Amino acid sequence: QKEVEQDPGPLSVPEGAIVSLNCTYSNSAFQYFMWYRQYSRKGPELLMYTYSSGNKEDGRFTAQVDKSSKYISLFIRDSQPSDSATYLCAIEGGGADGLTFGKGTHLIIQP
Amino acid sequence: DVKVTQSSRYLVKRTGEKVFLECVQDMDHENMFWYRQDPGLGLRLIYFSYDVKMKEKGDIPEGYSVSREKKERFSLILESASTNQTSMYLCASSLRLTGSEKLFFGSGTQLSVL
Repeated sequence: QKEVEQDPGPLSVPEGAIVSLNCTYSNSAFQYFMWYRQYSRKGPELLMYTYSSGNKEDGRFTAQVDKSSKYISLFIRDSQPSDSATYLCAIEGGGADGLTFGKGTHLIIQP
Repeated sequence: DVKVTQSSRYLVKRTGEKVFLECVQDMDHENMFWYRQDPGLGLRLIYFSYDVKMKEKGDIPEGYSVSREKKERFSLILESASTNQTSMYLCASSLRLTGSEKLFFGSGTQLSVL
């Protein structure tokens, strides 16, 4: 069983829409939850980081973690064409195993 | 501004060649990583290093080796390149190996092995 599942998309939405990106995970030991954004032909960059269950907001972005369901989400409000990228969730258990990445969701925001 | 620099954006090599991919970070980070990224397979960890001259195998180390002679430099070596090693290679560095680790990635090297 894969440890982190993420729908690869592509997910195409019109500009201004609310976007929901999701990951599920299987290992209840995971403690740290991150979202990376990767533009075409670039390396990933950290977008959001959260430790506990609940919501964390940063501008138009909200990261949500539900540890009981082993489900994490990234919401983008008022989406812009510049948000078009691949979004990777990354989860860490706090031990020496490092990060486990989802495969990424390719998001397209249509002008 | 933090920076992880990979020496080449694009490389074309022939089967059987020895290939060196170089990565340099200017943030004085202890930990450095090499990933490969393939469509449908996502990011996969090849090797990582938490100190000079130290190295640890990741999930897919076969066919690769690494070298870390200086803190800022981490090299990935393909001893005898094969076509199934055609991929995007990403180097990253971070401050800590455990806990809330933040990875800084380079822009990647697209390697084609013919």
